Amino acid sequence: KNEVEQSPQNLTAQEGEFITINCSYSVGISALHWLQQHPGGGIVSLFMLSSGKKKHGRLIATINIQEKHSSLHITASHPRDSAVYICAVRASITDKLIFGTGTRLQVFP
Amino acid sequence: DVKVTQSSRYLVKRTGEKVFLECVQDMDHENMFWYRQDPGLGLRLIYFSYDVKMKEKGDIPEGYSVSREKKERFSLILESASTNQTSMYLCASSPGERTEAFFGQGTRLTVV
Repeated sequence: KNEVEQSPQNLTAQEGEFITINCSYSVGISALHWLQQHPGGGIVSLFMLSSGKKKHGRLIATINIQEKHSSLHITASHPRDSAVYICAVRASITDKLIFGTGTRLQVFP
Repeated sequence: DVKVTQSSRYLVKRTGEKVFLECVQDMDHENMFWYRQDPGLGLRLIYFSYDVKMKEKGDIPEGYSVSREKKERFSLILESASTNQTSMYLCASSPGERTEAFFGQGTRLTVV
């Protein structure tokens, strides 16, 4: 079993829909990252959080440390949001980043 | 903005060739990393460096080596490329421990 699990693996949506991507982890962490990878391959950091909630534009990330779970929400989705979204956690003991396998999102007009 | 630049977007090499993947960052970051990304697997750390001439093995260092002669440049070397090293390679840098990482655009390497 992977230490970081994302769901769903693939997601399609119509433009304007509200989207949720989930991340569960099984190790103690000091921080959790949400990353976005566009088809060209480059990765952009969206959020780094260790508690509560962060918001940037139409993106919202939440984390529940007790339940070892995080969600990434996209409000009013747009075709340009189409990408792979990756959850990564920094393990407390090893200090290393552990990556999920990603959620592929396609938003259609 | 931080820029992490990888020298090639796509590479095709033959089995047995020595391959160099170059990565340059322009923000004076201490830490640099090399990952590979394969379908169905998360990014896996190959090597990282926290200072010039310093290097540490990651989770999958076999078949790879690295070089960091200058702070801004971190090279990944495949001494003798093999087909199982066909992958997407991603370089990243960060200013310190437990901070946000900045990624390059990736190099898709195919070994034939």
